[in-house]
Amino acid sequence: DVKVTQSSRYLVKRTGEKVFLECVQDMDHENMFWYRQDPGLGLRLIYFSYDVKMKEKGDIPEGYSVSREKKERFSLILESASTNQTSMYLCASSLGGYTEAFFGQGTRLTVV
Amino acid sequence: EDKVVQSPLSLVVHEGDTVTLNCSYEVTNFRSLLWYKQEKKAPTFLFMLTSSGIEKKSGRLSSILDKKELFSILNITATQTGDSAVYLCAVEAKGAQKLVFGQGTRLTINP
Repeated sequence: DVKVTQSSRYLVKRTGEKVFLECVQDMDHENMFWYRQDPGLGLRLIYFSYDVKMKEKGDIPEGYSVSREKKERFSLILESASTNQTSMYLCASSLGGYTEAFFGQGTRLTVV
Repeated sequence: EDKVVQSPLSLVVHEGDTVTLNCSYEVTNFRSLLWYKQEKKAPTFLFMLTSSGIEKKSGRLSSILDKKELFSILNITATQTGDSAVYLCAVEAKGAQKLVFGQGTRLTINP
C-alpha cells in the first residue's frame, strides 16, 4: 500500500515562528502536493512539485515556501507563522497521468 | 481559472436512505474527475472518471460523468452510519499535474 506520512498530527506554534511541515512518501511518486483545508473552502493547493528540486506555485502560495531535496520528501515552510495560517494541512503524492493522488493523515496547525 | 462546485454542502439523512451528491466543473482541457471520501483523517480514493456515461461502481457507491454538461454525481444506496464523511470531488486538467477540489459535501447518516 502507498503510504504518505506527515511528521505531526497536531502542532501549536506562536505568531512569527518559522514552521516546518514534513511529508514522506514511500512509492517513488514523481508528484507531491501541499494543500490546506478550511471549512467551506475545500482543499486549496499551496505548492506542488513534479520532480526533485522542482516546485510550482499553487493557488495560495503567499506566506509559504517548499523544499524537495529528495524524491520521497516534500517540506512545507511557513517563514513567519500568522494566525490566518491556522488550518489543516494535507500532503499528497501521485504518479501523474491518469492516477489518483494519495493523501497523508493531515497536520492540524494552530498559530497563536 | 479551473473551478469545481459541489452541492449540497451539507446533507443529513436517515440510515437506509439513498443520497445523490453533485459535482459541477469548469476546466480547460479536462482529463479526469475524482471522488474521495474523508472521515477524520486522510481523504481516501473512491473513483476516477474519464469518459461520459460509463458508471463506476463499488458496492453501494456508484458514480457517473457527463462531459457535455460538465458534471458528475455520486450515489450511495442503503446508507449506513459508516458512510458519514466529507465527500470531495476534484478535477485534473491535461498537463496540469494537479487536482482542483470542490468545497466538499458533509454527509451525516443518522441511525
